[in-house]
This record gives sequence, C-alpha cells and structure tokens, in this order.
Amino acid sequence: KAGVTQTPRYLIKTRGQQVTLSCSPISGHRSVSWYQQTPGQGLQFLFEYFSETQRNKGNFPGRFSGRQFSNSRSEMNVSTLELGDSALYLCASSLARSGVYNEQFFGPGTRLTVL
Amino acid sequence: TQLLEQSPQFLSIQEGENLTVYCNSSSVFSSLQWYRQEPGEGPVLLVTVVTGGEVKKLKRLTFQFGDARKDSSLHITAAQPGDTGLYLCAGAIKTSYDKVIFGPGTSLSVIP
Repeated sequence: KAGVTQTPRYLIKTRGQQVTLSCSPISGHRSVSWYQQTPGQGLQFLFEYFSETQRNKGNFPGRFSGRQFSNSRSEMNVSTLELGDSALYLCASSLARSGVYNEQFFGPGTRLTVL
Repeated sequence: TQLLEQSPQFLSIQEGENLTVYCNSSSVFSSLQWYRQEPGEGPVLLVTVVTGGEVKKLKRLTFQFGDARKDSSLHITAAQPGDTGLYLCAGAIKTSYDKVIFGPGTSLSVIP
C-alpha cells in the first residue's frame, strides 16, 4: 500500500507570494492533518480535515488555510508569505475510526523556503 | 494548556552504548506514540502504547508507558548509527476526534 505523498518536495518563494501544497493520504484514510515543523518551535499543528470539513484547527493566522476533496486528498495554502513561514510542512493521514485512537502516518514533507 | 516535555533535548553517544529518553506531561493521555524522524523526512511511527504500565519491545528498542499514563520512556540497547535521528513522542487525548500533542523531540546522534 502506498504511503502518504506530498508535492512538491521543495519550494522556494519570495515574501508576499502565495503557495499551495498538496497531500495524498494512504488509500482508505479519511483524515488529513497538517503540521509545520521548524527547529525552534518543533512540530506545530495547523489543522485537520475529515470528510471535506475542517474539524480541528491550531493557532495559526488566517493566511494559512486548507481544504479536502472528496477523494480525501488535501491542499494547504499560505498567502502573503513571510520569512518566518520557512519550514517543513508535514501532512499526516489516519483512518479516523470512531471510538479508538487512530495512528497518524506522515508524508515526507514539503520544504518551503521564503526569501 | 497541555504540554509534552522531552529529555534530553540532545544526545550524542558512541555505538554500542545504551540510552534512555523521556517524555513527560501533566496531562493524562489515552495513548502515546513514539516516532523517529530523519533529516528532511517525515516522522515514522515506531510504536503506540495504550495501557498504563505497558511495556513494548521492538528489537533493541523498549518503550514504557507510565502507570498514570502521563509519561513514557524509550530505551535503546547497544545503539547503532542507524538509530540516529529525532525521536518524537506524541500524546493523544480522545475527544470527539483525536487530539494529538507532540513533544519537542530528542535529537540522537550515534557515533560509529
């Protein structure tokens, strides 16, 4: 079974631009979560999507947004990029079964550099 | 605010040595996961512990969940260079969905 895939793997943008990152979950997984990872802040939760709806959100500004499609694939968008947005953006998928803990499986990440 | 702390933050040891890393919180978790992450890659799930006091072994790695389900430890026996990486613990709190909190990680370097 294929793992979580993320595209692109690397991205270089300049301040003020916007960017869209893509994540394809493991087949059958219905939940997709996004994280930002930086050396100083560690892994920080951005948001989670389930059945095309955002059901959990972290403490990030409105410049960070996302969506999920009917096939569970998800995209994340960052508008008006700032230097501090440079990070590894990770996507994780899970089965989202009710009543039990659903382990998250991570993709390789997208390394975003803002110049 | 729920927080997970990990110690030590950095660890550099010689091949063949043993080590233990710790994950602590004041919160009670329904389960706890350990991940290993290599540079430029996503975290890879190593184990999930669910029951207080539970011990799981994965080859040279031993994971323990505290009795009160607030802390966990990871012990590596006879470390190898391939064990090098960032070890992350993540605590899950069961609500209507899975709320997961990640620790800051322990960066392990095993020197040949």
